[in-house]
Amino acid sequence: NAGVTQTPKFQVLKTGQSMTLQCAQDMNHNSMYWYRQDPGMGLRLIYYSASEGTTDKGEVPNGYNVSRLNKREFSLRLESAAPSQTSVYFCASTFNEKLFFGSGTQLSVL
Amino acid sequence: AQSVTQLDSQVPVFEEAPVELRCNYSSSVSVYLFWYVQYPNQGLQLLLKYLSGSTLVKGINGFEAEFNKSQTSFHLRKPSVHISDTAEYFCAFRAGGTSYGKLTFGQGTILTVHP
Repeated sequence: NAGVTQTPKFQVLKTGQSMTLQCAQDMNHNSMYWYRQDPGMGLRLIYYSASEGTTDKGEVPNGYNVSRLNKREFSLRLESAAPSQTSVYFCASTFNEKLFFGSGTQLSVL
Repeated sequence: AQSVTQLDSQVPVFEEAPVELRCNYSSSVSVYLFWYVQYPNQGLQLLLKYLSGSTLVKGINGFEAEFNKSQTSFHLRKPSVHISDTAEYFCAFRAGGTSYGKLTFGQGTILTVHP
């Protein structure tokens, strides 16, 4: 079982560049999430998708867009990266009040 | 405002000693409470959760936590720690009526177990 798979694992961007973080889950879960993790701040929710075809803003959505491509896939896009978006990004899905996390994407914006 | 505060950013402890990681929350509505653990270079894993019923909940790897509504706390405990428990621990809650998985996390507590 792969669970939640994120790509890439590492990425370095220059300010103003764009990129898409990919996420896929093979557990047939309805809901998927994007969190960012910053030192001393825990995890903060960026966007989520409660079901296929719906997306909603979380706590820190500015500078990001998302696409729920199908039930399996939920991508996060940075249109114009900024140094403040340097972070570790986690995708997750949920079932029975349990979040299943991917292994994360470490993003640096220079 | 709803929030979670983990009272210790780092907790060093010797192997086989007991440990308590403290967590307080603030919410005007009902809450569901969680502890997650993150090992180095990995995603988070659920340790335990409190949804309703008994206020003492047991989780994986010998951890337990107690929900105290009057003190708005959900402290995590283990009677005897191992080197392998070295990790970062996150307390989190979901407010009643919100989407599953829409959690508010604390800042994290780094537990370091020394031999």
